[in-house]
Amino acid sequence: DAGVTQSPTHLIKTRGQQVTLRCSPKSGHDTVSWYQQALGQGPQFIFQYYEEEERQRGNFPDRFSGHQFPNYSSELNVNALLLGDSALYLCASSFRRGANEQFFGPGTRLTVL
Amino acid sequence: AQSVAQPEDQVNVAEGNPLTVKCTYSVSGNPYLFWYVQYPNRGLQFLLKYITGDNLVKGSYGFEAEFNKSQTSFHLKKPSALVSDSALYFCAVRLPYGQNFVFGPGTRLSALP
Repeated sequence: DAGVTQSPTHLIKTRGQQVTLRCSPKSGHDTVSWYQQALGQGPQFIFQYYEEEERQRGNFPDRFSGHQFPNYSSELNVNALLLGDSALYLCASSFRRGANEQFFGPGTRLTVL
Repeated sequence: AQSVAQPEDQVNVAEGNPLTVKCTYSVSGNPYLFWYVQYPNRGLQFLLKYITGDNLVKGSYGFEAEFNKSQTSFHLKKPSALVSDSALYFCAVRLPYGQNFVFGPGTRLSALP
């Protein structure tokens, strides 16, 4: 059973560009969350998707948007990239119901030049 | 607002000695508590969680954590450290009615031979 997978592994963009990151959840999981982890910091919650809708959102601007597909996979889109968007972007999946831990993917390292 | 503190940026321990990584939290209500570990250039791996019941929780790789409601703490412990335990450790909380995790800033553990 594959765990959470993310693509691409690394990405380099320039300021003002747009980027799309992809995530496939662990088999059977129905909920996907996205986190931003800046260097030397803990992950910061961006948003969570369940049943193809954004259910909860952290303190991130509208430049950050997402999508969940019927097969539960998800995308994170960031528009008008800023230097400060450089970070490791982590996807986590879980079951919606219950006190369940989240399983994390290896992350996508985004560098904005 | 929820917050998680890990008062030590770095913890050094000799291999074979017991280790403790500290975590305190500030939330309203009765949160779920988690510990994750992160190895270099990797995503987060789940270690253990506290939901309810016995204050001492046992998890993966010989780790355990002690929940103390009066002190709002959830310290991670291991009786005998291994060099391979060297990594970044994150404490996280989640409210029962919420879905997102709030992570602490992380503690870097170095277990020296």
